[in-house]
Amino acid sequence: GAVVSQHPSWVICKSGTSVKIECRSLDFQATTMFWYRQFPKQSLMLMATSNEGSKATYEQGVEKDKFLINHASLTLSTLTVTSAHPEDSSFYICSAGGLDSGNTIYFGEGSWLTVV
Amino acid sequence: LAKTTQPISMDSYEGQEVNITCSHNNIATNDYITWYQQFPSQGPRFIIQGYKTKVTNEVASLFIPADRKSSTLSLPRVSLSDTAVYYCLVAQMDTGRRALTFGSGTRLQVQP
Repeated sequence: GAVVSQHPSWVICKSGTSVKIECRSLDFQATTMFWYRQFPKQSLMLMATSNEGSKATYEQGVEKDKFLINHASLTLSTLTVTSAHPEDSSFYICSAGGLDSGNTIYFGEGSWLTVV
Repeated sequence: LAKTTQPISMDSYEGQEVNITCSHNNIATNDYITWYQQFPSQGPRFIIQGYKTKVTNEVASLFIPADRKSSTLSLPRVSLSDTAVYYCLVAQMDTGRRALTFGSGTRLQVQP
């Protein structure tokens, strides 16, 4: 299957700082990318949907000014958690799909964020 | 958006066949059905995808009835390493801007 890669796999940052997570589609062009967060033993919660070259569409309750999403190219989307707080600590997962991937959405490995 | 419903958990023993059913009553004409497997601290991994009838690959089979309002993932002869959470996802990609929401998933526990 197609490959979606996230970086970093885990990151620790101080409260009040910003952290960026990258999501790359390695072998297909991702016209649409999705960002999720997941708490232990819970399902994935969709945060936002982004189409290449457009502003992201955020789910209800997700602060767009806090979780900045950029999808500037067909192979890269970034999620920046601004002014991070301990409650932002979570597992963040991206997924991607496009014409090249048919009707299949592929997921990245996930990124653990710990805010101290 | 097609909402999905799955059993919260299932238990099985090594070597048995496991069938996990997902209900998606409001599936749209262009929606595909995809199943994923997730281990702790990892992203979901693609297992199988189908539109109707039956699909089989090297790891699983997917059964979809004619009305497409449900689907069943079949895992033949499970092993301990199949202990994971399984999600069904109903969506289409050709319209691009389609939000994908997950149901609760099914936590499969395989015992020796």
